[in-house]
Amino acid sequence: AQKITQTQPGMFVQEKEAVTLDCTYDTSDPSYGLFWYKQPSSGEMIFLIYQGSYDQQNATEGRYSLNFQKARKSANLVISASQLGDSAMYFCAMREARGSQGNLIFGKGTKLSVKP
Amino acid sequence: DVKVTQSSRYLVKRTGEKVFLECVQDMDHENMFWYRQDPGLGLRLIYFSYDVKMKEKGDIPEGYSVSREKKERFSLILESASTNQTSMYLCASSLQGLGGGYGYTFGSGTRLTVV
Repeated sequence: AQKITQTQPGMFVQEKEAVTLDCTYDTSDPSYGLFWYKQPSSGEMIFLIYQGSYDQQNATEGRYSLNFQKARKSANLVISASQLGDSAMYFCAMREARGSQGNLIFGKGTKLSVKP
Repeated sequence: DVKVTQSSRYLVKRTGEKVFLECVQDMDHENMFWYRQDPGLGLRLIYFSYDVKMKEKGDIPEGYSVSREKKERFSLILESASTNQTSMYLCASSLQGLGGGYGYTFGSGTRLTVV
């Protein structure tokens, strides 16, 4: 079974609108971290936002926020006021406290295209 | 800022060649990782290392080996390159631990084509 599921291979959004990228995860570890990365066409992976499993509030970083619903095992990324430069691949990832030396496990990604 | 440097951005090699992909990080991170990225498959872990001279297999180690003789350098070796190893290779490093400060820092990637 996949540990990280991103069900949207591709999405379009109009410039200046908000967009939500879905991510669900599967773990039995009570202690874990959730990450979102952006990968523009240049190829480098850029860290966006982090949410710890024990964090009481949803993480926010500028225009990025993470809608963390622990009971649903959901960690959706919300981008407000989309910009053309937001067009990229977005990856959700999880790091568990135990097993696999705490390695990051990635989803397959969502390609976001922002339309002018 | 942590910097992870991969020696080549683009590489073209012939089938059967021995290929070295080099990765260097400058922030004293314990962990280093090699991933390959293919369309529709996301990032898949090849090998990782949590200390000098230590290495662990990831999800797809077949056809690859690694070397970590110094803390800052982690090399990926394709012993005999094959066309199915044409891919984007990403190196990353991190501190040990779980929290937000221990996410990965990635290099810019190496696009390897095996002909």
